[in-house]
Amino acid sequence: GQNIDQPTEMTATEGAIVQINCTYQTSGFNGLFWYQQHAGEAPTFLSYNVLDGLEEKGRFSSFLSRSKGYSYLLLKELQMKDSASYLCAVTNSNYQLIWGAGTKLIIKP
Amino acid sequence: GAVVSQHPSWVICKSGTSVKIECRSLDFQATTMFWYRQFPKQSLMLMATSNEGSKATYEQGVEKDKFLINHASLTLSTLTVTSAHPEDSSFYICSASTPLEGDTQPQHFGDGTRLSIL
Repeated sequence: GQNIDQPTEMTATEGAIVQINCTYQTSGFNGLFWYQQHAGEAPTFLSYNVLDGLEEKGRFSSFLSRSKGYSYLLLKELQMKDSASYLCAVTNSNYQLIWGAGTKLIIKP
Repeated sequence: GAVVSQHPSWVICKSGTSVKIECRSLDFQATTMFWYRQFPKQSLMLMATSNEGSKATYEQGVEKDKFLINHASLTLSTLTVTSAHPEDSSFYICSASTPLEGDTQPQHFGDGTRLSIL
């Protein structure tokens, strides 16, 4: 089967750094996405990785290792507004998007 | 860029009513639109993939006669929940892909429609 694993919930402190991990087993790979979803709202696109390495975008960075089936989303200088669910999703060889269940990130002052 | 508009944002109606939800790509042409459903505290569940000018592809377990999808143009797809019942109450989200960014494209999401059936 195809599945994506990410932690259910994480807690971090305002101003700190947090890393959200995602591991995947899919039939082929054509890219990995990270989305942010605030409660009661639709997801918002954060990042896309298709080659190994780190993609940096402001306070957010995403890393991919295709050989390990592993990615992480790194959030720096955490702000209270970063409290949200973070969804990892992988496009497989049929260009289907397989979703993880999401990681709920709680930011404490 | 890549704005997707979804309407209405909230619907409350009686059991047995049919409800239509519109999804529009405002500043790009979307050859493919996706319809998702999300129950509280759960992940997104893909219901169907909608390609302009052809029949939608439904995921296993999703009734095509219950959830009618029409993708008549490159900027508009509609989802009609026919004869809705309380168990259909959920958060429905559409997304669209732009072909300009290659085969693997990020999906741009509408704001979602919260459907409550009484």
